[in-house]
Amino acid sequence: DIQMTQSPSSMSVSLGDTVTITCRASQDVGIYVNWFQQKPGKSPRRMIYRATNLADGVPSRFSGSRSGSDYSLTISSLESEDVADYHCLQYDEYPNTFGAGTKLELK
Amino acid sequence: EVQLVESGGGLVQPGRSLKLSCAASGFTFSNYYMAWVRQAPTKGLEWVAYISTGGGSTYYRDSVKGRFTISRDNAKSTLYLQMDSLRSEDTATYYCTTGGRNYGYTYDFDYWGQGVMVTVSS
Repeated sequence: DIQMTQSPSSMSVSLGDTVTITCRASQDVGIYVNWFQQKPGKSPRRMIYRATNLADGVPSRFSGSRSGSDYSLTISSLESEDVADYHCLQYDEYPNTFGAGTKLELK
Repeated sequence: EVQLVESGGGLVQPGRSLKLSCAASGFTFSNYYMAWVRQAPTKGLEWVAYISTGGGSTYYRDSVKGRFTISRDNAKSTLYLQMDSLRSEDTATYYCTTGGRNYGYTYDFDYWGQGVMVTVSS
């Protein structure tokens, strides 16, 4: 199975920060990486699809990038509503696999 | 408005069965690959199973192979997950979602249900 190694597992952040979360794929997954935001008790919300595409309705301060097997989610100028858990997903091969998640917490 | 509404969860004893349903509306269900994703309490997301538009192709994670069966009824716009021989480690919130790749087509996990809780305990 393809491993998605997500880092960091948690991050203490301040409003206005630029935050970057990374997933490293253990094998080539091409562009098929999504990023999801999840708030407590809620369903995941797709933020980025196919590595770099902003999902509908997602603020432009969110962006996705790829460098080789490293995939990153960047949040520019963090707002309070962005404090949540974030998960990456590879769906290039079955079984699809998620990263372990990153928890953003306010300082 | 797109809606995915899961049902059928609850408390079940180890070794017993449960069948989850996911009723879809607001989009052409029969055109979408579908998947189940679960999340154990305080844990991360875990992909469980995939089914193609016609139901002829399925994939499962190893830990549920032979115990879980994903299926769909396109006439009813409903996705199912039959879960047999349940174990305590299957305790989780189960989400249905539109996602998967096969036959050169890709669906990008855009729609998600609200989730249904399954607790396996004696």
